Amino acid sequence: NAGVTQTPKFRVLKTGQSMTLLCAQDMNHEYMYWYRQDPGMGLRLIHYSVGEGTTAKGEVPDGYNVSRLKKQNFLLGLESAAPSQTSVYFCASSSGGTGMRETQYFGPGTRLLVL
Amino acid sequence: GENVEQHPSTLSVQEGDSAVIKCTYSDSASNYFPWYKQELGKRPQLIIDIRSNVGEKKDQRIAVTLNKTAKHFSLHITETQPEDSAVYFCAASAYQGAQKLVFGQGTRLTINP
Repeated sequence: NAGVTQTPKFRVLKTGQSMTLLCAQDMNHEYMYWYRQDPGMGLRLIHYSVGEGTTAKGEVPDGYNVSRLKKQNFLLGLESAAPSQTSVYFCASSSGGTGMRETQYFGPGTRLLVL
Repeated sequence: GENVEQHPSTLSVQEGDSAVIKCTYSDSASNYFPWYKQELGKRPQLIIDIRSNVGEKKDQRIAVTLNKTAKHFSLHITETQPEDSAVYFCAASAYQGAQKLVFGQGTRLTINP
């Protein structure tokens, strides 16, 4: 049981390049989330999904797109990377609903540097 | 939308002493308040959480208190140990079809031997 995994661990992009970050979970969780973490700041929600085929915007969605074609995978895309998108990206998943099902489990993170 | 303020940004305590981190939130609809611990270069990990129908929750050396009227909640760590050194984040959310957590800015806790 690997929990939440992320690919790649680290990536360097040039301004204007595109890339896709992959998040996978093997806990059969319904809900998945993408956050970014910048120095001196807490995590901020980019996009989230409450089930296969659904996505929704979070707090800072501009410049990102997401897809949830399979329940276990949540993809985050950058179509035209900008230096402001240099950050550490964390994926999380949860069972969904309320009570004990609210706990979000985080992946190990992807460190992205945009030059 | 929700706004979460966390204080202090850094905290240094002697091993064995207690540490307290405080957070305030703005949205009275928020009803779920988790605390995460993040070690350097690692992922955030849930250490304790509390829901709005409870005023206090304990788990061994860790406790969280919630004051809904004042809209603030606090993390208390007793008998601190070197392995408690990390960055701690509070968060708040109101379930609205998803648990969209809003995080505080984090507190870097250092335990001095």
